[in-house]
Order: sequence, then structure tokens, then C-alpha cells
Amino acid sequence: AQSVTQLDSHVSVSEGTPVLLRCNYSSSYSPSLFWYVQHPNKGLQLLLKYTSAATLVKGINGFEAEFKKSETSFHLTKPSAHMSDAAEYFCVVSEAAGNKLTFGGGTRVLVKP
Amino acid sequence: DADVTQTPRNRITKTGKRIMLECSQTKGHDRMYWYRQDPGLGLRLIYYSFDVKDINKGEISDGYSVSRQAQAKFSLSLESAIPNQTALYFCATRGGGTDTQYFGPGTRLTVL
Repeated sequence: AQSVTQLDSHVSVSEGTPVLLRCNYSSSYSPSLFWYVQHPNKGLQLLLKYTSAATLVKGINGFEAEFKKSETSFHLTKPSAHMSDAAEYFCVVSEAAGNKLTFGGGTRVLVKP
Repeated sequence: DADVTQTPRNRITKTGKRIMLECSQTKGHDRMYWYRQDPGLGLRLIYYSFDVKDINKGEISDGYSVSRQAQAKFSLSLESAIPNQTALYFCATRGGGTDTQYFGPGTRLTVL
């Protein structure tokens, strides 16, 4: 069985400072891993995806994530937060060729001016 | 994502009423999914469909039913709504050969 744990339910950062969102997963297989973002009253938008090609994955809006198999982690980072990054972020693991997605509980990001 | 649309976007109903949520997509994907989102729980899968004749239960299908009217349309029904079905509902699609799902904007359902 697969599972996803997002270690922080809320993260608060100042504009212009780095953002780190932590995600640990467990999976019986070689999973695909995703980060999605959900802005208020919006649907989920794909930020980036890991599928074993490269351990450092670059996504949209300056985000990137590093896959560390030994630590079963897939943390999301951004060097400099922008006010528009205020949203909820979900770490997701996929098995069964994409039919089974398991979501973490989400991390809500607050960006202070 | 404008390629996946959901109607209505918001709905308030009463306990015992029948409700249908609709999802349409123009991505040409054959696989479609319904999820519900509750605070702190992420999204959980209700039903999914590989094509018009293939419907599968997800992890929380009790109290829900679905209909795949066409490749582009996938409806979720609550036969007799109850308050603990108050949630945000998302439809998603996926094409063959990829494991990426694309989500609609969501329907916020409140059952009083």
C-alpha cells in the first residue's frame, strides 16, 4: 500500500525568502510523484512530476523538487517566495500506471509581505 | 484547467435530496475520475472509469453512483444526500500512456 505524509500542515514565509514543503512517501513499487497546487476557489494545477528520469525536477513558477529514494522524500522548494504562491500544496504518489493516486493531507502556504 | 469543466460550481441542498454533479472534458482522454476533498485529508477517490463501459469503485464509493454518458462526460450522483457528504468534489481526466491526471475546478457541495 502507498501513503503520503506532508510534514507541515501550514507554512508561513516572508516574500522573497525560500520556501520548503516537506513530503515523505511509502510505496511498494517505483512510484511516480507529483506536486499539485490549489489556489483559493480554484482546481488543482500540476506543478511538477517525477518519473525516474532525473532526481531533481523543475516545475512551473520557479518550483523544483528533489527525489531522494534513500529517504523516501520528495520535498518541494522555491528560492524566493512570491505573494502569488499563497495556496495549498499537495504531494501525490501514483501507482498502477496512474489509476491510483494517493494524496497527502496538504500544506497551506502563507506569504507575508 | 478549462479543458475539464464541472457544473454546478456551488450547490446547497437538503438531506435526502438527489443531486447530480457533472463533468465534461475536451482533452480527448478516455479515463475519468471523481474525488472528494475534505480538510486535512487531501483528495480521496470515489469512482473511476476507463471508458464508457468500464466503471470502477474507488475507496469511498458508498452513497455515490456514477454514469459515463460518453467519453467526454462523467456524472456523479448522490441518491440521497446526507450532511457528511458536504465536501469539495473534483473531476479529473487522464490519457493513455501517461500517469498524469488533470483536474477540473471543483464543485462545492453543502448538504444541510
